[in-house]
Amino acid sequence: NAGVTQTPKFQVLKTGQSMTLQCAQDMNHNSMYWYRQDPGMGLRLIYYSASEGTTDKGEVPNGYNVSRLNKREFSLRLESAAPSQTSVYFCASSEAVPTSTEAFFGQGTRLTVV
Amino acid sequence: QKEVEQDPGPLSVPEGAIVSLNCTYSNSAFQYFMWYRQYSRKGPELLMYTYSSGNKEDGRFTAQVDKSSKYISLFIRDSQPSDSATYLCALRSTDYKLSFGAGTTVTVRA
Repeated sequence: NAGVTQTPKFQVLKTGQSMTLQCAQDMNHNSMYWYRQDPGMGLRLIYYSASEGTTDKGEVPNGYNVSRLNKREFSLRLESAAPSQTSVYFCASSEAVPTSTEAFFGQGTRLTVV
Repeated sequence: QKEVEQDPGPLSVPEGAIVSLNCTYSNSAFQYFMWYRQYSRKGPELLMYTYSSGNKEDGRFTAQVDKSSKYISLFIRDSQPSDSATYLCALRSTDYKLSFGAGTTVTVRA
């Protein structure tokens, strides 16, 4: 059971380049999330998708776009990378039901923008 | 102001001590309260959750929620070196937005 799979695991970009981080889950979850994690700042929500066909901004959406391609996949795009976007990015998924609260995380993508 | 405030520490305690962690929040839409544990270079994993004010125990761990004060806590009794990790509070609103605190890094010294 793969759970939440993120690709790539590591990436180095030059300032101004674009890239898409991929995330797929095989748990039939409705909700999916993208976070960035920086030292001392915890997990900051970039975008989330409560269900297929919907996306909403989180705490730090500027400079990012997302696509909920289908129920399994939720991608994060950096159109013009900046050094401030150097971070570890985590994708997560959870069931969108009141009684289920656990979010399952991928292994993370370490992105460096030079 | 962040929706969820958590002191990032770090916190260092001797083995066997009680570890006390807490978060405050500002949004009344948060209805579910969780604690995640994250080991170095790994994704966070759920430790405990609750959706009502009061205490919830699970072995050496106790989660406490006070909705009226918008304050949540996690206590670790008889702490062990294996408890050394970063602990993040997480709150979910009714629209399934899941927000995290900054995380507190805990080291339990043998």
